Amino acid sequence: AQKITQTQPGMFVQEKEAVTLDCTYDTSDPSYGLFWYKQPSSGEMIFLIYQGSYDQQNATEGRYSLNFQKARKSANLVISASQLGDSAMYFCAMREINTGTASKLTFGTGTRLQVTL
Amino acid sequence: GAGVSQSPSNKVTEKGKDVELRCDPISGHTALYWYRQRLGQGLEFLIYFQGNSAPDKSGLPSDRFSAERTGESVSTLTIQRTQQEDSAVYLCASSLGQGLYNSPLHFGNGTRLTVT
Repeated sequence: AQKITQTQPGMFVQEKEAVTLDCTYDTSDPSYGLFWYKQPSSGEMIFLIYQGSYDQQNATEGRYSLNFQKARKSANLVISASQLGDSAMYFCAMREINTGTASKLTFGTGTRLQVTL
Repeated sequence: GAGVSQSPSNKVTEKGKDVELRCDPISGHTALYWYRQRLGQGLEFLIYFQGNSAPDKSGLPSDRFSAERTGESVSTLTIQRTQQEDSAVYLCASSLGQGLYNSPLHFGNGTRLTVT
């Protein structure tokens, strides 16, 4: 079974609009962390935002926020006021704390976001 | 530099040859990871080091793949008898280490391996 599912292979958004990128996860571990990364066409992986399973508040970092719905096991990334430079692949990833070696991140297949004028 | 450094950035090799990929993590980062990314796909975990031990090698696809790390520094990923399906970008990442569960991975720019 997939641990991280990103169902949107591609998304389009107009500049200055907000966009939500979906991520659902599957774990029986009560302790876990969720990460979002951006990968522009240059190939570098850029860390955007983190949400812990016990965090009471949704994480925010500038124009990025995480819509964390624990009961639904979803951790959607919201980008507000999209910019042309936001065009990239976006990956959701999870770290399970108590399962085996608690360090690797498991990644989803990604969503390609294209920001248009 | 302050980031994760990988070399070479590009490697073209003939099928059947061995290759070594190098990763220099961020200073002070005790954890080091190798991932593989095939064209247009997500990241596939290969191996994780904490210091110079490898508690998780579960992602190595076959015994042709091996990795080592000296101290809390450089790591090399070796692929023996390369096959065409080994063609991919190999990404190295480091983080502050075990127990710091919110610590993100910081990635290098990768080595693009092409097996002809």
